Amino acid sequence: QVQLVQSGSELKKPGASVKVSCKASGYTFTSYSLSWVRQAPGQGLEWMGWINTNTGNPTYAQGFTGRFVFSLDTSVSTSYLQITSLKAEDTAVYFCARVDDDSAYLLYWGQGALVTVSS
Amino acid sequence: SDELTQPPSVSVSPGQTARITCSGDALPKQYAYWYLQRPGQAPVVVIKRDIERPSGIPERFSGSTSGTTVTLTISGVQAEDEADYYCLSTDSSGGYVFGTGTKVTVL
Repeated sequence: QVQLVQSGSELKKPGASVKVSCKASGYTFTSYSLSWVRQAPGQGLEWMGWINTNTGNPTYAQGFTGRFVFSLDTSVSTSYLQITSLKAEDTAVYFCARVDDDSAYLLYWGQGALVTVSS
Repeated sequence: SDELTQPPSVSVSPGQTARITCSGDALPKQYAYWYLQRPGQAPVVVIKRDIERPSGIPERFSGSTSGTTVTLTISGVQAEDEADYYCLSTDSSGGYVFGTGTKVTVL
């Protein structure tokens, strides 16, 4: 069965960087894109963008350019979200999600990774 | 505009019907999907392609569409339906956009 398992919670200081991982299993990793979704405390879901797992080409939504980087390591079926120059407002749960077989919507989700930015 | 607007909250008594709307200019041209999210958990899809109910989702969940508005209806609401609900669609550049979210409270 399709599984997306994310790395654990992180506590970082402002200005630092963080890298969240999303390890996929149960399917051919390079056959489906992966999206990243942010949810700040008590707030709604925000789609951050996606990465083409076949080419490695990322696409970033408005508001997520510059400090946010999506990457891959296909040898271990894992996608990464790196955030640099962390700010307090980056405190959120970050989800990875995979599309359905028709690549129409986000069907499979990781459990989420909490990133807390605090001095 | 690619925004999807939902009411912040809906309150309903057990056994009654809850209706959650999602409005957006692109909805007549793009499918909408509905997610249920309980605290501390990942979202789960309850309606796909405007009106389809995925396998395993209770029949009390249904979707409908009219013009620029899609609606999630929960008939015979149960206590376990208390959660946050989000609509999802695609935007003009082919990416995804989530609705603003609706908190359903079962009284």
